[in-house]
Amino acid sequence: AQTVTQSQPEMSVQEAETVTLSCTYDTSESDYYLFWYKQPPSRQMILVIRQEAYKQQNATENRFSVNFQKAAKSFSLKISDSQLGDAAMYFCAYRSSLHIIQGAQKLVFGQGTRLTINP
Amino acid sequence: DGGITQSPKYLFRKEGQNVTLSCEQNLNHDAMYWYRQDPGQGLRLIYYSQIVNDFQKGDIAEGYSVSREKKESFPLTVTSAQKNPTAFYLCASSMEGGGAVQYFGPGTRLTVT
Repeated sequence: AQTVTQSQPEMSVQEAETVTLSCTYDTSESDYYLFWYKQPPSRQMILVIRQEAYKQQNATENRFSVNFQKAAKSFSLKISDSQLGDAAMYFCAYRSSLHIIQGAQKLVFGQGTRLTINP
Repeated sequence: DGGITQSPKYLFRKEGQNVTLSCEQNLNHDAMYWYRQDPGQGLRLIYYSQIVNDFQKGDIAEGYSVSREKKESFPLTVTSAQKNPTAFYLCASSMEGGGAVQYFGPGTRLTVT
């Protein structure tokens, strides 16, 4: 079974600075998808960024980018120019590409990293 | 205004009672999911449905039941058999396909005393 590990329970960063959140995963599959979700105090899960494993190019979305290292099974999230509104729990998630197999449709989540932005 | 709605936002029940959580989506998504979130943990899958009148158990289905009579609706019943039902419950939906993004509703906080 796949597992996702976020080794940093909490992180903090000064406003306008850059912070990197770590995520590692374990899988025997070669094709899959990785996601970062943000959960603000409202507790609604919001998609931040998505990466296809077959793409070598790292995904970017405005101030958010990833460093995807497939061989190392690492998928870190970099937030540039941190803003107060970035404060939230961040979850890394894995999804198999074998969607026709029962159980493969689920997202496997890490434990989350609580990010605090210091003004 | 497309999206996923969950109601109610907060729900309180006495132990031994069944309770049903609502989830509705108007995104025309085929697949719907129920996740449970406990403090300090990530989300765990309870049930999912890829098509009307069909659903599959997730990792922690014991003590829960679902139905999928309409494409837009995927209610979750927390039965008295669920030993620790107090949690935050999130519903999600997606188009079908391995890489499809799952979009989440605002969640329901269930407290059982």
